[in-house]
Amino acid sequence: EDQVTQSPEALRLQEGESSSLNCSYTVSGLRGLFWYRQDPGKGPEFLFTLYSAGEEKEKERLKATLTKKESFLHITAPKPEDSATYLCAVLRGASYDKVIFGPGTSLSVIP
Amino acid sequence: EPEVTQTPSHQVTQMGQEVILRCVPISNHLYFYWYRQILGQKVEFLVSFYNNEISEKSEIFDDQFSVERPDGSNFTLKIRSTKLEDSAMYFCASSDLYSEKLFFGSGTQLSVL
Repeated sequence: EDQVTQSPEALRLQEGESSSLNCSYTVSGLRGLFWYRQDPGKGPEFLFTLYSAGEEKEKERLKATLTKKESFLHITAPKPEDSATYLCAVLRGASYDKVIFGPGTSLSVIP
Repeated sequence: EPEVTQTPSHQVTQMGQEVILRCVPISNHLYFYWYRQILGQKVEFLVSFYNNEISEKSEIFDDQFSVERPDGSNFTLKIRSTKLEDSAMYFCASSDLYSEKLFFGSGTQLSVL
């Protein structure tokens, strides 16, 4: 069965303290892996798409990487405004297939 | 920046009543979706819509649910007879490539009493 898991469930960092979030997946025929940010009471906001193992994408303090079984979201020198839930999602290769979301990692950055 | 808009932001209804959730997707997008998120749980796929028909639907999307694009701008989700377990945040999304880089609205919080 296709599955997406994320760890840790929650992460509390001091401002400036770098760390990584993990997304592990078991999906047959991965077409793409996505990272989204979700603020409380809001819809997910697109961050990155990764298509193949070894690919990396960067945006400000965030860097996403992909291997054959997992993806990491590295946060360098986070600021309080980076506090949010970070969602990983995967898309299989079949036509008109649905995106499967992971449970998310809730990140709190303390000043 | 273009955005997906959803109305209402909150909807309270009695069990058994019909509700219609409304969405205006981004204007040049071709693919439309409804997702839902029960409090504290994962974002779950409900249905995708392209070229005026359903492309894919989940097991959650049973006969009580329907979607429609009544004109060139609106996209609606109807729940015919609401149940307590339908209480959730419902998100509309749109994209220009199927299932890739989804743009989500801010959601409609549905409470069924």
